[in-house]
Amino acid sequence: ETGVTQSPTHLIKTRGQQVTLRCSSQSGHNTVSWYQQALGQGPQFIFQYYREEENGRGNFPPRFSGLQFPNYSSELNVNALELDDSALYLCASSLMSAGNEMASPLHFGNGTRLTVT
Amino acid sequence: GQNIDQPTEMTATEGAIVQINCTYQTSGFNGLFWYQQHAGEAPTFLSYNVLDGLEEKGRFSSFLSRSKGYSYLLLKELQMKDSASYLCAVRDSNYQLIWGAGTKLIIKP
Repeated sequence: ETGVTQSPTHLIKTRGQQVTLRCSSQSGHNTVSWYQQALGQGPQFIFQYYREEENGRGNFPPRFSGLQFPNYSSELNVNALELDDSALYLCASSLMSAGNEMASPLHFGNGTRLTVT
Repeated sequence: GQNIDQPTEMTATEGAIVQINCTYQTSGFNGLFWYQQHAGEAPTFLSYNVLDGLEEKGRFSSFLSRSKGYSYLLLKELQMKDSASYLCAVRDSNYQLIWGAGTKLIIKP
């Protein structure tokens, strides 16, 4: 079984630029969620995609947006980058089905380390 | 607001037992997860509790008391490779995961 893969692993951007991060979900999974993790902190939920639609969002501004494709892979886009956006961005996939929303654990990729200067 | 509390750091000795506590206050409850995260790596799933009681999985066990908003992760026969951060996360009424900041566990020989 293929695990969750993310690209790139590291990225350096300048304040004001735009960035796209990519994620391939684990085979058999249909749901992708994105998290931001600052150093020494737990992950903060950005949003989740199921069947190519956003079906949950955390407390992040609209300049954080995403997509999910028919093959369940996903992108996270961040516009107008700010210094505080520097963090590890984690993608996680899971299997969601009717009546099984509670039981599916998340499987994480190794993340993309974004540095904004 | 929603809140997950766990100790920032704990130290234990190789071969010993350690208990990492987690208390939570969330809008609704649909399960509690424990994840292990080594420095620079992704979190990996350890356990899931949705009913009160103890779930045992090898050297790791997790306990839940929903009435007290409390869980713990018990690690037995500690090994040096267990040095990592341990994250407690609760799925709320919107099925979103609320995460604690993690407990950094340091294992000494």
